[in-house]
Amino acid sequence: GQNIDQPTEMTATEGAIVQINCTYQTSGFNGLFWYQQHAGEAPTFLSYNVLDGLEEKGRFSSFLSRSKGYSYLLLKELQMKDSASYLCAVIDSNYQLIWGAGTKLIIKP
Amino acid sequence: DTAVSQTPKYLVTQMGNDKSIKCEQNLGHDTMYWYKQDSKKFLKIMFSYNNKELIINETVPNRFSPKSPDKAHLNLHINSLELGDSAVYFCASSPTLEMVSPLHFGNGTRLTVT
Repeated sequence: GQNIDQPTEMTATEGAIVQINCTYQTSGFNGLFWYQQHAGEAPTFLSYNVLDGLEEKGRFSSFLSRSKGYSYLLLKELQMKDSASYLCAVIDSNYQLIWGAGTKLIIKP
Repeated sequence: DTAVSQTPKYLVTQMGNDKSIKCEQNLGHDTMYWYKQDSKKFLKIMFSYNNKELIINETVPNRFSPKSPDKAHLNLHINSLELGDSAVYFCASSPTLEMVSPLHFGNGTRLTVT
């Protein structure tokens, strides 16, 4: 079966750095997305990785290792508004999107 | 200039009723989806349509019937509502079927069945 694992919940301090991991086992791989979802709102796109390595976009970076079936989202200089759920999703060999259950990130002052 | 809009935002109804949720996108995308997000926040695809044609129909009770009158609209009709149907339903769109572009989500419809 296809599976995506993320920690259920993480807590971090304002101004700090946090890394949210995602491991996947899917039938094939055609890319990986990270989405942010604030409580009561729709998911919004953060990043897309299809090749190995680090993609940096402002305070957020996303890393991919296809050989390890692993990705992480790195959030720097955390702000209170970063409190949200972060969803990892993988495109499989049939170009279907497989979703993780999301990681709820709690930022404390 | 909302990209993906769905109505209503909240829907409270009793078991056994029939209800509809409407979705429209003005992005010119070819593909539209319905997702269900349960209380554990897990997003599960229900249906996808590409240019009005049904592509994905996951294991969803046949009480759920999507309709796409044109590629900019995808509505969801639910018959004989059950308590377990309570969830947030998201409409989404993408440029093509291959999912290599990000999904654009509507703001969700929170359905509560009592």
